[in-house]
Amino acid sequence: NAGVTQTPKFRILKIGQSMTLQCTQDMNHNYMYWYRQDPGMGLKLIYYSVGAGITDKGEVPNGYNVSRSTTEDFPLRLELAAPSQTSVYFCASSFAAYEQYFGPGTRLTVT
Amino acid sequence: GEDVEQSLFLSVREGDSSVINCTYTDSSSTYLYWYKQEPGAGLQLLTYIFSNMDMKQDQRLTVLLNKKDKHLSLRIADTQTGDSAIYFCAEVSRNNNDMRFGAGTRLTVKP
Repeated sequence: NAGVTQTPKFRILKIGQSMTLQCTQDMNHNYMYWYRQDPGMGLKLIYYSVGAGITDKGEVPNGYNVSRSTTEDFPLRLELAAPSQTSVYFCASSFAAYEQYFGPGTRLTVT
Repeated sequence: GEDVEQSLFLSVREGDSSVINCTYTDSSSTYLYWYKQEPGAGLQLLTYIFSNMDMKQDQRLTVLLNKKDKHLSLRIADTQTGDSAIYFCAEVSRNNNDMRFGAGTRLTVKP
């Protein structure tokens, strides 16, 4: 099993550009999550999904969108990138609301 | 809202024991977790404890849970330089579908 994979690893965006962060898991987990981690801070939940077709907002959803058309994939969309979205983004998955398995992260810089 | 709090820094000498503390406020927490994050990497699950347990030992790791005081600790015996990382406490409660993280404790191990 590859576990949780994220692409890209790094990205630099200009203000106002859009991009999609990809996340895929091959563990057949029904729960998936997107977090952001700002320097020296813990993780803040952006969106999560408890199954295909179901998504819910987390603590910091503004400026982001998600979709969950399959069990495996949970892409995160930034429509109008802002400098405040410079962060490291982690995707995670879990079987129900138990221990989460994390991807390696995407480091995003918006300038 | 419900909070998970940790001290931000801990420094120990190689070979000593490290104790990382965490407090949480949600009395309906079911599982509590410790994750390790090495520089530039995602979070790696170290261990977890169910809320009806007081202690769990796994090789050099000992987790203690005081449910009355809502206090969780992680003890690392014979701390090595490879243990230098950020350690995150997290909890899942019956009321939430998401996991709440502390801000992380940066453990530095000096030779």
